[in-house]
Amino acid sequence: IAGITQAPTSQILAAGRRMTLRCTQDMRHNAMYWYRQDLGLGLRLIHYSNTAGTTGKGEVPDGYSVSRANTDDFPLTLASAVPSQTSVYFCASSAQGRDEQFFGPGTRLTVL
Amino acid sequence: SQQGEEDPQALSIQEGENATMNCSYKTSINNLQWYRQNSGRGLVHLILIRSNEREKHSGRLRVTLDTSKKSSSLLITASRAADTASYFCASSSGGSYIPTFGRGTSLIVHP
Repeated sequence: IAGITQAPTSQILAAGRRMTLRCTQDMRHNAMYWYRQDLGLGLRLIHYSNTAGTTGKGEVPDGYSVSRANTDDFPLTLASAVPSQTSVYFCASSAQGRDEQFFGPGTRLTVL
Repeated sequence: SQQGEEDPQALSIQEGENATMNCSYKTSINNLQWYRQNSGRGLVHLILIRSNEREKHSGRLRVTLDTSKKSSSLLITASRAADTASYFCASSSGGSYIPTFGRGTSLIVHP
């Protein structure tokens, strides 16, 4: 693994289904983030984690949950997907005390 | 809500020309960053400029910051077709180190 990986690359999901997007980094960064990117709206922060064991809400947290059991992994869960959650999801990380973020390749999610 | 807003939304130039993108923000910042996103890819960090800096260079990139006007500009000199991408500014303010992203400028460089 080099940097940040996300899985799956893309997914089509029926509304009402539960879905977990996976994110793993190997840079030992303390902070991790989940963004969604929608056309015309740029990137919006969903949830973040400053360090393992802590999480926080971003700009658009409703309908999403996260956990940070260890430094490397930061999964994002949609408990009951809705069509408005159709988007491209990016995971990112940054070293503690620094602002530069490193992004994963993204997961394209379609909810029908 | 977006802290930073890029201008223009789209820019189309010929290879070899310079490309200038601007970013305006609303509140006082700790720093401002620029990122590039190629189609279908994640964002890549380009450069970070702190609130007490006025100009930074990195290769063909030049970033300026005018805190009195709450604005920043990204200049790409001698553009190449490979510079075709979307460019985002992101700024952090107050006690938060988490940057807020703008909507981006789509740059097309024609060979």
